Amino acid sequence: TQLLEQSPQFLSIQEGENLTVYCNSSSVFSSLQWYRQEPGEGPVLLVTVVTGGEVKKLKRLTFQFGDARKDSSLHITAAQPGDTGLYLCAGFTNAGKSTFGDGTTLTVKP
Amino acid sequence: ETGVTQSPTHLIKTRGQQVTLRCSSQSGHNTVSWYQQALGQGPQFIFQYYREEENGRGNFPPRFSGLQFPNYSSELNVNALELDDSALYLCASSRTPTTNEKLFFGSGTQLSVL
Repeated sequence: TQLLEQSPQFLSIQEGENLTVYCNSSSVFSSLQWYRQEPGEGPVLLVTVVTGGEVKKLKRLTFQFGDARKDSSLHITAAQPGDTGLYLCAGFTNAGKSTFGDGTTLTVKP
Repeated sequence: ETGVTQSPTHLIKTRGQQVTLRCSSQSGHNTVSWYQQALGQGPQFIFQYYREEENGRGNFPPRFSGLQFPNYSSELNVNALELDDSALYLCASSRTPTTNEKLFFGSGTQLSVL
């Protein structure tokens, strides 16, 4: 069974602070995706990373895929209250299966 | 472009009953994946359907079954409901089953088993 561990589980910060959340596994994935989920809604895709060592930026969000394609990080610069939500990472294999982590619940206080 | 819609939004059942959840995929998408999300946890992959055939299954017992129709909409059936089946059930559609595809999620069906 492939597992994805996300840390921290909960994070509460002030507006303007920077933060990093992590997604780790002992398994290799062919691709990894980050999603953001708000209460009562399904997850919404933020980014897909495919190549080991890949770095992608989406405005104030920076995503990195580990060289061995087993881990990933999400860094948010100057967090805003609108960034509040559940951040989920998901690893995908070529067998058509996906594995989600349990997420990081981020609260950004104004 | 029509998004992914799921019905019903909420459902209450009793232990031992059977339930059918429905999902309409986004226009142009031929792949549907189902997930179970328990409170405080991430979505767990149940199975995926591609062109009306099961294309991958997670660690769920056979009482979890599914169908995909020619219009690519899908159903999730759960027999002999157990208390632990209480969860948010999410459906996601994608253009193809390949691993890099973006998953478009519906808002889910909240199932409570009493």
